[in-house]
Amino acid sequence: AQSVAQPEDQVNVAEGNPLTVKCTYSVSGNPYLFWYVQYPNRGLQFLLKYITGDNLVKGSYGFEAEFNKSQTSFHLKKPSALVSDSALYFCAVRDPFNSGGYQKVTFGTGTKLQVIP
Amino acid sequence: EPEVTQTPSHQVTQMGQEVILRCVPISNHLYFYWYRQILGQKVEFLVSFYNNEISEKSEIFDDQFSVERPDGSNFTLKIRSTKLEDSAMYFCASSENSGGANTGELFFGEGSRLTVL
Repeated sequence: AQSVAQPEDQVNVAEGNPLTVKCTYSVSGNPYLFWYVQYPNRGLQFLLKYITGDNLVKGSYGFEAEFNKSQTSFHLKKPSALVSDSALYFCAVRDPFNSGGYQKVTFGTGTKLQVIP
Repeated sequence: EPEVTQTPSHQVTQMGQEVILRCVPISNHLYFYWYRQILGQKVEFLVSFYNNEISEKSEIFDDQFSVERPDGSNFTLKIRSTKLEDSAMYFCASSENSGGANTGELFFGEGSRLTVL
């Protein structure tokens, strides 16, 4: 079964500093990986995805993530945090080779990012 | 930009009543989903729908739940007899078919908040 782990419930970072939000995954084959952001009382917004190719993917709002197959990780990063980046971040995975259901996207438990002015 | 729309934004109901949550996915998308989120925490998969049938469902999606695509645009979630624990934010999502591999990200609506009293 596919799963995603986000080991940190909350990450605090000072404005202007680099930020990292951690994610590890477990699938039977090669994963499709996603990051989403959720602002209070809003739906989830897509940030970026890894399907294949270059391990470093770039997304919206200056975010990027690096796929590391050996460590089964897909950490979200940004070189310089903004106060407006404060939100809830979800990592997600789809296992396209799961014959039992290749469309389901499984989400992690979320990490609250707090950027301190 | 096309978006997923959900109605109602908030519904309050009595325990045991039937509830229908409605969604209009993005028009050229082929995969449809319902997720729920309790108290702003984990985003839980309920069901995926493709080619006019359920493709996968979670253990949460028991006999009290059903989905339907009654016409070419709407996608509904019905809860036959609501329980207190059904109180949550319900999100509809859709994704496009990218070359048959479903590499597309999910696009979420803003959610329907269900409160069961």
